[in-house]
Amino acid sequence: DSGVTQTPKHLITATGQRVTLRCSPRSGDLSVYWYQQSLDQGLQFLIQYYNGEERAKGNILERFSAQQFPDLHSELNLSSLELGDSALYFCASSGGGGTSAGELFFGEGSRLTVL
Amino acid sequence: GENVEQHPSTLSVQEGDSAVIKCTYSDSASNYFPWYKQELGKRPQLIIDIRSNVGEKKDQRIAVTLNKTAKHFSLHITETQPEDSAVYFCAASMGNSGYALNFGKGTSLLVTP
Repeated sequence: DSGVTQTPKHLITATGQRVTLRCSPRSGDLSVYWYQQSLDQGLQFLIQYYNGEERAKGNILERFSAQQFPDLHSELNLSSLELGDSALYFCASSGGGGTSAGELFFGEGSRLTVL
Repeated sequence: GENVEQHPSTLSVQEGDSAVIKCTYSDSASNYFPWYKQELGKRPQLIIDIRSNVGEKKDQRIAVTLNKTAKHFSLHITETQPEDSAVYFCAASMGNSGYALNFGKGTSLLVTP
């Protein structure tokens, strides 16, 4: 158990819909990262938050948005869903003071299926 | 954006043989290079990492080497066992204030008895 909790574990929805994925980081971790894992695409970095502030942005579509709340949990919002958004979405957290790179602890992922 | 290239995409070895996976990166500011193992249906987990001030690191049957000049790093697994079968991802830290990781596309390793 990594200590990172993601909900829901599975989600099936239709094209055009909007979903919210939730992540609770390890206790004490200030950084939260979101990654998308599609078949043959590895782990694509979407976005990082550190203590409530956006810290780094990757290949995140404009239809997607995220935020980190004062209690440090994070939500990833996916809207106007397309078939190609079907993927496994991982949240990860890391500790430290944000002054150097370190181990990411991954949650179990949220599997999104868009029909 | 900055890329991490990983080769090969699939690798099949016999139990007891060695396996080598190679990665290259393009971001000159990268200074942290971890390797993650992802078993089928599971989350990625760190197996070994190396920082830019070190050229080689070993932990039992696994070792990682880093050539910062050439922007290459490699994972070596010796005396492979069937339980080593998994997808392995290399990663490099992003050279911005966030220190997020850019991952390679993964190598599917199969160790046959």
